[in-house]
Amino acid sequence: DVKVTQSSRYLVKRTGEKVFLECVQDMDHENMFWYRQDPGLGLRLIYFSYDVKMKEKGDIPEGYSVSREKKERFSLILESASTNQTSMYLCASSSRRWGQEGPDTQYFGPGTRLTVL
Amino acid sequence: AQSVTQLGSHVSVSEGALVLLRCNYSSSVPPYLFWYVQYPNQGLQLLLKYTSAATLVKGINGFEAEFKKSETSFHLTKPSAHMSDAAEYFCAVSDRVGTGKLIFGQGTTLQVKP
Repeated sequence: DVKVTQSSRYLVKRTGEKVFLECVQDMDHENMFWYRQDPGLGLRLIYFSYDVKMKEKGDIPEGYSVSREKKERFSLILESASTNQTSMYLCASSSRRWGQEGPDTQYFGPGTRLTVL
Repeated sequence: AQSVTQLGSHVSVSEGALVLLRCNYSSSVPPYLFWYVQYPNQGLQLLLKYTSAATLVKGINGFEAEFKKSETSFHLTKPSAHMSDAAEYFCAVSDRVGTGKLIFGQGTTLQVKP
């Protein structure tokens, strides 16, 4: 079974703090993704990575950055947390290589519920 | 650009009744389509996916979905609802080549009444 783990289930931070959310997958997947989930908006892609040290902006990258130094680990960084970043953050991974055709199933971690006060 | 619309943010059914969750997509070419389920305080789990091999797709837990190109729809059904089906359901679309990133609908919360 694919396992995607996230470092914290719940996190409370103060405005202006630097926040690190960590995600690790154990299936040697090429691709990793960070989403935020808000009621009524579904999941929105923040950043994704299709290889080590590679990153691409998603639909809502403002206020976030990412790091992928090792294939199994993908970190989401909030440089200066703000209250409008209070949300559920979900990490996912998938195996399809860049340019390959075929459905690419994403496997999700349990999520981190971040509250910024 | 691709997009997904789920009709109805909340659906309530009685235990044993038919479940129908609606999903319409917008794409210039037939995409890959997915249904995911999220149980309370958990991540998303794949229910089923459409890959163009067959228009009727069977998934886990008795769910199935039918791809209708003429209607640009991929509705999720289950003949008889169970209390354990109460969850949030997401429809998603991805391109056939390239990054494989998913575009999600807004989600539908399914309530099952005893």
